Amino acid sequence: QVQLQESGPGLVKPSETLSLTCTVSGASISTYLWSWIRQTPGKGLEWIGYIYTREITKYNPSLKSRVTILADTSKNHFSLKLSSVTAADSAVYYCARLGTLSGYFEYWGQGSLVTISS
Amino acid sequence: EIVMTQSPATLSVSPGERATLLCRASQSVSSNLAWYQQKPGQAPRLLIYGASTRATGIPARFSGSGSGTEFTLTISSLQSEDFAVYYCQPYNNWPPFSFGQGTKLEMK
Repeated sequence: QVQLQESGPGLVKPSETLSLTCTVSGASISTYLWSWIRQTPGKGLEWIGYIYTREITKYNPSLKSRVTILADTSKNHFSLKLSSVTAADSAVYYCARLGTLSGYFEYWGQGSLVTISS
Repeated sequence: EIVMTQSPATLSVSPGERATLLCRASQSVSSNLAWYQQKPGQAPRLLIYGASTRATGIPARFSGSGSGTEFTLTISSLQSEDFAVYYCQPYNNWPPFSFGQGTKLEMK
């Protein structure tokens, strides 16, 4: 079955770049749309962006200037980089897969808590 | 971006009873609506897509209905494992994606 697992530092300093990786098993990241979503108590669930076929990316306009999503098909994983972070970027970050040709999130990773603090 | 409003924010229901959760869209999303369940410390889990189609492995006590701007998630006979937070998500025109703010279903 499809499984996703986030990994990366749990603590990032303000103004630095948050980096997370989502390792996928049971499906190829060369197909489907692979997404990052974050969750905070204040803003709830917030879509960050997705990558498709390794090259096509779409980002949330509110984060677009700071976000990069990349895919490494040789390792079957994709990554998130969020630059110039502040305390407001503290959240649980999820990777997820969109359903085939649809816009709902069919599979989710367990989530990775990232705290922005000096 | 479509704004989703879920009500109530918190719903208190006894085990074995029926729970009805509402989700309203700021504009029509046709039947392009999904529901998710989230338990503490876990990721959201897809329950319903297409407004009324249960995802794989979801028990029949979960049902979704509605189209356009008004949607309902019904849990026919609450089990202890159903107490959680529920989110709706439209997907008629994406990206971007948005989610409702959630309804917390708690045990009465």
